[in-house]
Amino acid sequence: LAKTTQPISMDSYEGQEVNITCSHNNIATNDYITWYQQFPSQGPRFIIQGYKTKVTNEVASLFIPADRKSSTLSLPRVSLSDTAVYYCLVGAGNTGFQKLVFGTGTRLLVSP
Amino acid sequence: DTEVTQTPKHLVMGMTNKKSLKCEQHMGHRAMYWYKQKAKKPPELMFVYSYEKLSINESVPSRFSPECPNSSLLNLHLHALQPEDSALYLCASSQALGGTAPYEQYFGPGTRLTVT
Repeated sequence: LAKTTQPISMDSYEGQEVNITCSHNNIATNDYITWYQQFPSQGPRFIIQGYKTKVTNEVASLFIPADRKSSTLSLPRVSLSDTAVYYCLVGAGNTGFQKLVFGTGTRLLVSP
Repeated sequence: DTEVTQTPKHLVMGMTNKKSLKCEQHMGHRAMYWYKQKAKKPPELMFVYSYEKLSINESVPSRFSPECPNSSLLNLHLHALQPEDSALYLCASSQALGGTAPYEQYFGPGTRLTVT
């Protein structure tokens, strides 16, 4: 399973765009990149998943360069409610089982 | 309904007690998971069930005993726990295991367990 490295914490203000980068140098050919969000005392929540280039949904964008050794989660115009821990996970689904290995995550604090 | 429910929300138990955590989902998912999360740490996978059969046991001590009585229910039986087992226990489910891309996992709110 590919190891991921993220910044431990980030600070932002309401209305700003936040970019959280994840490094995964030993990503395998079949691996996907998935991001989860977790609020205190709640279970993680799926945000977005991608394999290459750019993926966008209603809450975030995921940018993956051609070498796939890193990825960037982009949160447009954050609000106070985006204060949470964001986890980057790398893994494949077709290995016969699915293991989610959470790294240390990035604690995002959004201030007024 | 995209909800995973867990009961109880909080549990305090002594080291000689036997208790069970329950998890339920009605999304038709065929894979279910137990995770353990200590304060300010990431969730750690404990067990994975696929089609009611245990697929993964991440070398969890035998004082934790999982059970999947049917496709909607997942239990975690606890016996002779240690204070260091105090943590948030999270249940999750996904459509299945395998597939080209990892299936999205839906997590419950967790059970906050305190062992005294």
